[in-house]
Amino acid sequence: DAKTTQPPSMDCAEGRAANLPCNHSTISGNEYVYWYRQIHSQGPQYIIHGLKNNETNEMASLIITEDRKSSTLILPHATLRDTAVYYCIVRKGQGGKLIFGQGTELSVKP
Amino acid sequence: EPEVTQTPSHQVTQMGQEVILRCVPISNHLYFYWYRQILGQKVEFLVSFYNNEISEKSEIFDDQFSVERPDGSNFTLKIRSTKLEDSAMYFCASSGGTGRSPLHFGNGTRLTVT
Repeated sequence: DAKTTQPPSMDCAEGRAANLPCNHSTISGNEYVYWYRQIHSQGPQYIIHGLKNNETNEMASLIITEDRKSSTLILPHATLRDTAVYYCIVRKGQGGKLIFGQGTELSVKP
Repeated sequence: EPEVTQTPSHQVTQMGQEVILRCVPISNHLYFYWYRQILGQKVEFLVSFYNNEISEKSEIFDDQFSVERPDGSNFTLKIRSTKLEDSAMYFCASSGGTGRSPLHFGNGTRLTVT
């Protein structure tokens, strides 16, 4: 599975959009980009995933560049409860395990 | 919304004892996983299970570990002879019928080995 690179930490003001970047320059054609988050020591929570088109759900939007070498997770109106570690993970199209890196620790501040 | 449930939430055991961690995956899911997270470290893959057999396992998943789906609803992780270094959060996950269905995780069992 392709490796991902994320900044170790980011801050965001409450109510503003949080834009979390991820580089996956070695991604191959059948690999999907998944985003999860982990609040405190709870289980990782699925947010969104995509292949090449931009995706949106009730939690977030996922913007994937045309060359698929990077992506951005957008939380449109961050709240204090969005403070968590966010993981960007590349996974083969036929499925299988997720491999977690260190992620980005997002702090939403009042 | 259906969810993965894990019991117990916290288990304390003595070194050398056997422990069984239990999980009830989401009911129509077909793929099952165990992960662990040592305090302050990354979430690590242990094993995946499909069609009543292990489909993949990591180096961590040695002969001390085993998994079982004893009935249609439970998925268990057994550690035969626990070591101090087995102390961690253990997360169960399940995913649906297609290979790229997202994994859904339970809230974990905190295992403390004394």
